[in-house]
Amino acid sequence: AQTVTQSQPEMSVQEAETVTLSCTYDTSESDYYLFWYKQPPSRQMILVIRQEAYKQQNATENRFSVNFQKAAKSFSLKISDSQLGDAAMYFCAYRSQGAQKLVFGQGTRLTINP
Amino acid sequence: DTGVSQDPRHKITKRGQNVTFRCDPISEHNRLYWYRQTLGQGPEFLTYFQNEAQLEKSRLLSDRFSAERPKGSFSTLEIQRTEQGDSAMYLCASSLIKSMAEAFFGQGTRLTVV
Repeated sequence: AQTVTQSQPEMSVQEAETVTLSCTYDTSESDYYLFWYKQPPSRQMILVIRQEAYKQQNATENRFSVNFQKAAKSFSLKISDSQLGDAAMYFCAYRSQGAQKLVFGQGTRLTINP
Repeated sequence: DTGVSQDPRHKITKRGQNVTFRCDPISEHNRLYWYRQTLGQGPEFLTYFQNEAQLEKSRLLSDRFSAERPKGSFSTLEIQRTEQGDSAMYLCASSLIKSMAEAFFGQGTRLTVV
């Protein structure tokens, strides 16, 4: 079974600075999808960014980018120019190509210091 | 359509009682998912539907849990004879049928069993 590990329970960053959240996963599959979801306090989870494993190019969405290292099974999220609204729980998730369920990590709580 | 809607948002029940939660997905989404999230953890997959068919169930979904999506639109999740260990946030999500389809989450139903 696939597993996702987020080794940083909490992270904090100064507003306008850059922060990187770590995620590693374990799988024997070659084709899969990876996601980062954001869960603000008392609000629904929203998709931040996604990556297809067959694509070597790292995904980027505005201030959010990933560092996808397939051989190392690593999928970190970089947030540039951090804003107060980025404060939330961030979850890394894995989905097999042929499956529908998401396998989530334990989450990283990100605090933005003004 | 404003997104995935879940009702109720909060439910407190006594141990041994039955509870039912409702999820209304985004209208054009064929797939609907249920996840459970305990405090400090990432969501865990429970089950998913494609239209009205329940296609996958997790081993987490014990005999006391049942989910339905009778007309391929809204879904209900019932827990019979609730136990304190059932206390969690129950999340519903929906998506289109596409390989990289984004799952849109509702705000969840927080269940407390006393």
